[in-house]
Amino acid sequence: DIQMTQSPPSLSASVGDRVTITCRASHDISIWLAWYQQKPEKAPKSLIYAATSLQSGVPSRFSGSISGTDFTLTITSLQPEDFATYYCQQYNSYPRTFGQGTKLEIK
Amino acid sequence: EMQLLESGGGGLVQPGGSLRLSCAASGFTFSTYAMSWVRQAPRKGLEWVSGISGSGDKIYYTDSIKGRFTISRDNSKNTLYLQMDSLRAEDTAVYYCAKDWNGLDYWGQGTLVTVSS
Repeated sequence: DIQMTQSPPSLSASVGDRVTITCRASHDISIWLAWYQQKPEKAPKSLIYAATSLQSGVPSRFSGSISGTDFTLTITSLQPEDFATYYCQQYNSYPRTFGQGTKLEIK
Repeated sequence: EMQLLESGGGGLVQPGGSLRLSCAASGFTFSTYAMSWVRQAPRKGLEWVSGISGSGDKIYYTDSIKGRFTISRDNSKNTLYLQMDSLRAEDTAVYYCAKDWNGLDYWGQGTLVTVSS
């Protein structure tokens, strides 16, 4: 199975800050990496697919990048509604696997 | 408008018991898309559980539920199922169904499964 190692587990930031969350795959997954946002008691919401493509309706302050087996989610100019937990997921092969999550909190 | 509506959870089931979850889909051509079940134990992260191709001929499971859970779909009813047998306390979680396209691009609201004596 492919392991996804996500960091950091938690992050404190202020409105207007720029933050980055990273995910490392244990094997080559090409570009097949997605990012999700989850707010308390809500279903996850898809933000980015194929490492860098923004889902329809997702604000452009969210972006994804890839370098080999390292993937990064960047949020520029944090908004109050961005404070949530973020997960990466590989969909190169089965079983699909998620990262452990990053909780983004208000400083 | 795309919609995924899970049902079948919400009560208490004893260890060793069974439960069938359903996920009713609307707003897209259900048979065209693979579907997945993902669960989230209380205060824990997301865990992919099972997936099925659009036609139902390809099925996948995570190791922890192999031999106990069975995924299926009825494309005539636009419904995805998860039959859960030999349930354990560690299966307690919110179970989400999700449309498996460009990652998991659309999710239902989830249904809670509680396994306890």
